[in-house]
Amino acid sequence: EVQLLESGGGLVQPGGSLRLSCAASGFTFNRYIMSWVRQAPGKGLEWVTGIGGSDGHTYYADSVKGRFSISRDNSEQTVSVQMNNLRVEDTAIYYCAKGGTFHLGELSVWGQGTLVTVSS
Amino acid sequence: QSLVTQPLSASGTPGQRVTISCSGGSSNIGSSFVYWYQQVPGTAPRLLIYENDQRPSGVPDRFSGSKSGTSASLAISGLRSEDEADYYCATWDDSLRGLVIGGGTKLTVL
Repeated sequence: EVQLLESGGGLVQPGGSLRLSCAASGFTFNRYIMSWVRQAPGKGLEWVTGIGGSDGHTYYADSVKGRFSISRDNSEQTVSVQMNNLRVEDTAIYYCAKGGTFHLGELSVWGQGTLVTVSS
Repeated sequence: QSLVTQPLSASGTPGQRVTISCSGGSSNIGSSFVYWYQQVPGTAPRLLIYENDQRPSGVPDRFSGSKSGTSASLAISGLRSEDEADYYCATWDDSLRGLVIGGGTKLTVL
């Protein structure tokens, strides 16, 4: 069974840092693009960042560029996002999602999400 | 405000056919595949349509997608109460070099 399990969410003060991780199982991890998508309370979905399977090419939304950094460990089948200089508006549920082999937008499997709250 | 635009809401009665539109531009829908997601409140999103009009296994054939130029549509036929959810379109944007997701459409089954 294909599964994604996020961890690392929590409460952090504005300007602080947090690292989210996602453990994948049930598929050939290194073949697929992986992404993080967030959803602020009561709002819609916002794609945050993605990383290629074998080439490790990274992509970022303008809203997080320069503050967030995505990485993956294909041997451990994990993908992580380091979030620095967090802002109140970064408060959201963060979902890890499995993309396609070529198309980032084909988010076929989602984790259950982890809540990040940025507040003083 | 997202680069791809969806209506805020849609509604229909059981058995009806409803469509949800997604409008973009030449740098996104006009040059990339469109994906549709369903999200029941309190749960993670689910992929409904990929590559404009393809259904993943397990998605009923009541759901169909189409694309023409810089617009796309999701159609739901034989509407059922369990279809009540939020629906999002998504596509790659060549200018932003990222995935853009529409603001979402809340579907109500009357």
